Amino acid sequence: QKEVEQDPGPLSVPEGAIVSLNCTYSNSAFQYFMWYRQYSRKGPELLMYTYSSGNKEDGRFTAQVDKSSKYISLFIRDSQPSDSATYLCAMILNYGGSQGNLIFGKGTKLSVKP
Amino acid sequence: DGGITQSPKYLFRKEGQNVTLSCEQNLNHDAMYWYRQDPGQGLRLIYYSQIVNDFQKGDIAEGYSVSREKKESFPLTVTSAQKNPTAFYLCASSRSREYNSPLHFGNGTRLTVT
Repeated sequence: QKEVEQDPGPLSVPEGAIVSLNCTYSNSAFQYFMWYRQYSRKGPELLMYTYSSGNKEDGRFTAQVDKSSKYISLFIRDSQPSDSATYLCAMILNYGGSQGNLIFGKGTKLSVKP
Repeated sequence: DGGITQSPKYLFRKEGQNVTLSCEQNLNHDAMYWYRQDPGQGLRLIYYSQIVNDFQKGDIAEGYSVSREKKESFPLTVTSAQKNPTAFYLCASSRSREYNSPLHFGNGTRLTVT
């Protein structure tokens, strides 16, 4: 069983739609959760970084963590064509040591049509 | 502007040749990383360095080498021993050696070996 599961898509939505992107994980030791956005032929850029269960909002983006279900989500409100990108979830295990404990999902490709 | 610079953007080499990918950061970050990204595979960690003159192997270090002689620089050499070197290579850094520091990425180098 893979540690982090993420549906690769592609996901296509009309402009203005609410987008829901999700990752599930199997190891309850994951404690820090991130969402990255990656445009084609570019490096990933950090969108959201959360620790606790619950919601964190930043503009049109909301990150949600449900540790009891081992499930994280990224919601995008009023989606725009400029949101078209691949979205990667990433998680860090909660014991100390190196950043070798950072695990990425494979990414979901999102296309927002005007 | 602070950031991570990877050069060149595109690199072409003949099989059997070693090639070095450059990564420079002016964020004053302690830790630096190299990832490889292949379609459908997600991000895989090659090497990381938490401090100058020290580095550790990641999940797929075979056929690669690194050095960390300066805080701002972390070059990656893809040797002829790497069996499948054609890929998109991403360099990243994080502010501290703390395991929960989020990563910031460069815009990658696409290496093609024929």
